Amino acid sequence: VIWMTQSPSLLSASTGDRVTISCRMSQGISSYLAWYQQKPGKAPELLIYAASTLQSGVPSRFSGSGSGTDFTLTISCLQSEDFATYYCQQYYSFPWTFGQGTKVEIK
Amino acid sequence: EVQLVESGGGLVQPGGSLRLSCAASGFTFSSYWMSWVRQAPGKGLEWVANIKQDGSEKYYVDSVKGRFTISRDNAKNSLYLQMNSLRAEDTAVYYCARAITMVRGAWFDYWGQGTLVTVSS
Repeated sequence: VIWMTQSPSLLSASTGDRVTISCRMSQGISSYLAWYQQKPGKAPELLIYAASTLQSGVPSRFSGSGSGTDFTLTISCLQSEDFATYYCQQYYSFPWTFGQGTKVEIK
Repeated sequence: EVQLVESGGGLVQPGGSLRLSCAASGFTFSSYWMSWVRQAPGKGLEWVANIKQDGSEKYYVDSVKGRFTISRDNAKNSLYLQMNSLRAEDTAVYYCARAITMVRGAWFDYWGQGTLVTVSS
């Protein structure tokens, strides 16, 4: 099983801020990583796959980087609609696993 | 427009069974791997199972192996999850998700709204 450490678990930020969320793997996974956004009471939505490829329709303020064991999701200029919980997911090997989540809240 | 609509959730006693369904529309269902992902109340996401386009390959997380069975009916554009010997720790919202596969593994590009399964006496 590949263990994932997502940090921070809670991030307080203001509109306009640049925020970064980290996802670290217990072993290398090349670029087999996705990022999702989830708002309360809603299903997750795909933001990024293959570590850095933006899903169609996702605003360009979202970006992903990294490979191997260390990955980052960056929101360049936080908007009000971005306050949500973010999850990383590795799909390098079974069982596919998700990070514990990072809640981005209003400061 | 891609739509995934789950149904079949509810309250069940420990040891009981439940069958979840997911009705797909807006895409060629038979061309995609499909998955179930669950989320316990207030917790994170957990991949549960997935199934190949023709149903010939199925994979499960260890905690449900031997108890859950994923299946599909491409003629009905439907995905199913048969859950037996349910435990309290299976309590969660269960999401149906379309899986996009490439060289290795898959990510989930569309999700249903989820159906809540509560296992309690």
